[in-house]
Amino acid sequence: DIQLTQSPSSLSASVGDRVTITCQASQDINNYLNWYQQRPGEAPKLLISGASNLETGVPSRFGGGASGTDFIFTIYSLQPEDIATYYCQHYANLPYTFGQGTKLEIK
Amino acid sequence: QVQLQQSGPGLVKPSQTLSLTCAISGDSVSSNSAAWNWIRQSPSRDLEWLGRTYYRSKWYHEYADSVKSRITINPDTAKNQFSLQLHSVTPDDTAMYYCTRDHGGLDNWGQGTLVTVSS
Repeated sequence: DIQLTQSPSSLSASVGDRVTITCQASQDINNYLNWYQQRPGEAPKLLISGASNLETGVPSRFGGGASGTDFIFTIYSLQPEDIATYYCQHYANLPYTFGQGTKLEIK
Repeated sequence: QVQLQQSGPGLVKPSQTLSLTCAISGDSVSSNSAAWNWIRQSPSRDLEWLGRTYYRSKWYHEYADSVKSRITINPDTAKNQFSLQLHSVTPDDTAMYYCTRDHGGLDNWGQGTLVTVSS
């Protein structure tokens, strides 16, 4: 199975800050990586597919990038409603696996 | 707009079968471009893909090795829904269970069902 190592596991930042989360795959996944936001008490929500493609309706302050097996998720200007846990997930083959999650809090 | 509505019991006894259903609106379980998945989230918040069913001229069923010997995911075309059965459950199967549509990403999710395995 492909392992996804996500860091940090938790993060505290101020409104307006730039926030970066990384996800490292254990092997080449050809940019077959998605990012999800899970607010407390809700199901995960797809934000980014194919490493960098923003889903329709997702604010442009969210972004994604890739370099080899390293993937980056960025919130360019943190807003209070971005409080959530963020997960990466690959779809290069089965089984799909997820990163451990990054819990984001506001300072 | 696609919506997934889950139903099923929240409490299952050890050794029994966990059964959940996911009713689809706004899409078809027989779609040639989507796959229908079950995912669970442990109390420690880890997400685990369990399996999927999809139609591409015939039906396919694919499962995670961790549950392969005791899981069944079936479509119901008459009711436009799909189901999860997990047999011989133990307390380790206690989790929030989600049904999801895979259509270029897991882009639609059910509301989740918290299933507790306890006597």
